[in-house]
Amino acid sequence: QSALTQPPSASGSPGQSVTISCTGTSSDVGGYNYVSWYQQHPGKVPKLMIYEVTKRPSGVPDRFSGSKSGNTASLTVSGLQAEDEADYYCSSYAGINNFVFFGGGTKLTVL
Amino acid sequence: EVQLLESGGGLVQPGGSLRLSCTASGFSFSAYAMNWVRQAPGKGLEWVSGLSGSGGSTYYADSVKGRFTISRDNSKNTLFLQMNSLRVEDTALYYCAKGLASSNYGFDYWGQGTLVTVSS
Repeated sequence: QSALTQPPSASGSPGQSVTISCTGTSSDVGGYNYVSWYQQHPGKVPKLMIYEVTKRPSGVPDRFSGSKSGNTASLTVSGLQAEDEADYYCSSYAGINNFVFFGGGTKLTVL
Repeated sequence: EVQLLESGGGLVQPGGSLRLSCTASGFSFSAYAMNWVRQAPGKGLEWVSGLSGSGGSTYYADSVKGRFTISRDNSKNTLFLQMNSLRVEDTALYYCAKGLASSNYGFDYWGQGTLVTVSS
């Protein structure tokens, strides 16, 4: 089993947009539309931000959006705010034998 | 309001066993798949195990297959994780996570976690 690949860090200034990538293979990200994104503030519980590639749970601001191209999924945060500073993790379904993989996480810094 | 409350964590020696529990409320427990996800200190998230609403289908990460057993008691709205042959690398905060209504490949509610420390 292999974790999905995320950049360790990303940053942007307030009001800007930032995109975090999540690269897998045709056996996980590329093979299914079951990519999720989670936000985790230090010492807090992960929060679901995006599921099934592009869907937002109720209560998640529309500044957060998801997309996928081939084996790479992306989370875009528009209009960055200070409270967006957190760790972000992607996950993907990887088939019946592997089930779910997470990415290694990306620390988003709001400058 | 959906609530998930884990318990059962603690300090155990390598080779030992622990049983984690997760008590759920605020939703129709038997209708949803449930999962365990862990996070080692200072590290990222790792999915550990999941099972269907009925408990008839179970899934495990390779890292725990053959050592951990997931189960549920729908009459008591409780999820379990029996952990045997524990290793130092199993040390982590273990979260109980509810599967989405549309699929079990995303987790919309998480408990606060219970800490498992494997050390001699």
